[in-house]
Amino acid sequence: DGGITQSPKYLFRKEGQNVTLSCEQNLNHDAMYWYRQDPGQGLRLIYYSQIVNDFQKGDIAEGYSVSREKKESFPLTVTSAQKNPTAFYLCASTESVSGANVLTFGAGSRLTVL
Amino acid sequence: AQKITQTQPGMFVQEKEAVTLDCTYDTSDPSYGLFWYKQPSSGEMIFLIYQGSYDQQNATEGRYSLNFQKARKSANLVISASQLGDSAMYFCAMRRLNQAGTALIFGKGTTLSVSS
Repeated sequence: DGGITQSPKYLFRKEGQNVTLSCEQNLNHDAMYWYRQDPGQGLRLIYYSQIVNDFQKGDIAEGYSVSREKKESFPLTVTSAQKNPTAFYLCASTESVSGANVLTFGAGSRLTVL
Repeated sequence: AQKITQTQPGMFVQEKEAVTLDCTYDTSDPSYGLFWYKQPSSGEMIFLIYQGSYDQQNATEGRYSLNFQKARKSANLVISASQLGDSAMYFCAMRRLNQAGTALIFGKGTTLSVSS
């Protein structure tokens, strides 16, 4: 079945360490997105990519980096520069449905900084 | 600036009853799209329903319907005949302006609890 796979589901990091969250999709979608969710909050956009080898900053890109070397993959690196990285991270891709361009989401990765 | 507001942090309903989750929005774009997503405790976001600003009729998908009142800038989600499996967090979202893709702006969500 087609979908978005995020890994790992849970990740623990020590302060000062970089970590990379994986996002792979087999939906043949062009656009991919990373969102961050904090408790009691909505989703906030970190980065997005419309096509391979191109990506744009979202609202809270500081302390994060991404790459888009393949259509299927959009990994997110949480760097040591991110001051409060503990959060739930969701990857998504865009499917066009009757012009609605519905976002399909992965199951998420929960990052905890110890 | 665009904004989505969900004023109900939590809602409680009994099985088989209908419930309305509120959503108001603000945008300067005459053409926009509104979405509702469900997030169960597992964390995955599940698309429920979509309403385009020029759609003549309110959107419906099974037990979900969207009460779209354009003049009031509201897009409330109505769930009919609630089920225990409807217990989850619900997010209203809007397509962002001035972006080639379809990134969404989300509200802070409403937690729905359905009891038997």
